[in-house]
Amino acid sequence: AQKITQTQPGMFVQEKEAVTLDCTYDTSDPSYGLFWYKQPSSGEMIFLIYQGSYDQQNATEGRYSLNFQKARKSANLVISASQLGDSAMYFCAMREIGTGNQFYFGTGTSLTVIP
Amino acid sequence: NAGVTQTPKFRILKIGQSMTLQCAQDMNHNYMYWYRQDPGMGLKLIYYSVGAGITDKGEVPNGYNVSRSTTEDFPLRLELAAPSQTSVYFCASSYYGSQSSYNEQFFGPGTRLTVL
Repeated sequence: AQKITQTQPGMFVQEKEAVTLDCTYDTSDPSYGLFWYKQPSSGEMIFLIYQGSYDQQNATEGRYSLNFQKARKSANLVISASQLGDSAMYFCAMREIGTGNQFYFGTGTSLTVIP
Repeated sequence: NAGVTQTPKFRILKIGQSMTLQCAQDMNHNYMYWYRQDPGMGLKLIYYSVGAGITDKGEVPNGYNVSRSTTEDFPLRLELAAPSQTSVYFCASSYYGSQSSYNEQFFGPGTRLTVL
């Protein structure tokens, strides 16, 4: 079974609008972390936001927030007030404490912001 | 503080050639990772290391070897290059010192490898 599933290969959003990128995960480990990374066309991986499995509140970092629904095993990324520079690939990842600290990545979602 | 550095940035190999992708980090991270990213795909873990002298296989280790003689360096070796190894290779590092699941991975800029 896939550890991380991103079901949206591509998304479009109008500039200044909000967009939600979906991510579901599969783990039996009670202690894990969820991460979102951005990969622009230049290729580097940029860390955006983190949510721990024991965190009670949803994580926020500027225009990024993580909608964490533990019972549904989902960790959707919400980008508010989209900007043209947000056009990129977005990857959801999970780190499990019980597996020797491996990271598992999803297949990514390509986001295009339309002016 | 350079973070994670990778060399070379680009390389073209002929089938059957060998090469080593270099990776170094100066953040005193104990964990280091090698990933490959095929076009339009996510990252797949090749090998990882939890500290000097300790390495373990990831999801796609065949055709690769690694070593970790120091905390800073984690080279990836391709012995007999094949066209299926054409990909972008990312090295990453992170710190793990407690039961916390935090501590993001820091990525290098990547090496674009083409095998013809």
